[in-house]
Amino acid sequence: KNEVEQSPQNLTAQEGEFITINCSYSVGISALHWLQQHPGGGIVSLFMLSSGKKKHGRLIATINIQEKHSSLHITASHPRDSAVYICAVRFTGNQFYFGTGTSLTVIP
Amino acid sequence: KAGVTQTPRYLIKTRGQQVTLSCSPISGHRSVSWYQQTPGQGLQFLFEYFSETQRNKGNFPGRFSGRQFSNSRSEMNVSTLELGDSALYLCASTLGGFEQFFGPGTRLTVL
Repeated sequence: KNEVEQSPQNLTAQEGEFITINCSYSVGISALHWLQQHPGGGIVSLFMLSSGKKKHGRLIATINIQEKHSSLHITASHPRDSAVYICAVRFTGNQFYFGTGTSLTVIP
Repeated sequence: KAGVTQTPRYLIKTRGQQVTLSCSPISGHRSVSWYQQTPGQGLQFLFEYFSETQRNKGNFPGRFSGRQFSNSRSEMNVSTLELGDSALYLCASTLGGFEQFFGPGTRLTVL
């Protein structure tokens, strides 16, 4: 049983579209991370959240602790946003679990 | 400031052998975590070290082990390699348990 559920698995968007990726988890957490992985394997940490909302450029991440749900939004999507986006959760027992990733392709 | 470095970047081994991978964190970072990424299982947490002590461990067999040195550099070792150990092994360093900075990974192929 995967402790972290991510959706959708694959997403294709036209340049300029607003994109939402969702992450749900099963039990209490101490922190949730959104990661970006480009082809070739390099991973970049986009956000770490324990409550509320964070914004960085065109990226916005929100978390609802009561509903055990987080979303990553990309406004005005661009082909360079094409990557795999991964939700990672540190549970209160300090174990890390990862979602299966969302493969995003933005078409010019 | 230099990023997280991992060596070697690519490695080919045969079943039954053992392998040691190295990770040098960003200067000043005392926490290092290791992850395995495979097409079938995705990213999985291996272990986390802080100040030379293993702080957390994922659900991997005892063939997977690690350590951290006083300069925060970390190594992980896999003994008696199996075909299923073929994966991208990533390490990440953290300052104070917040944002993780990932290295480029070591791609291990077991033949």
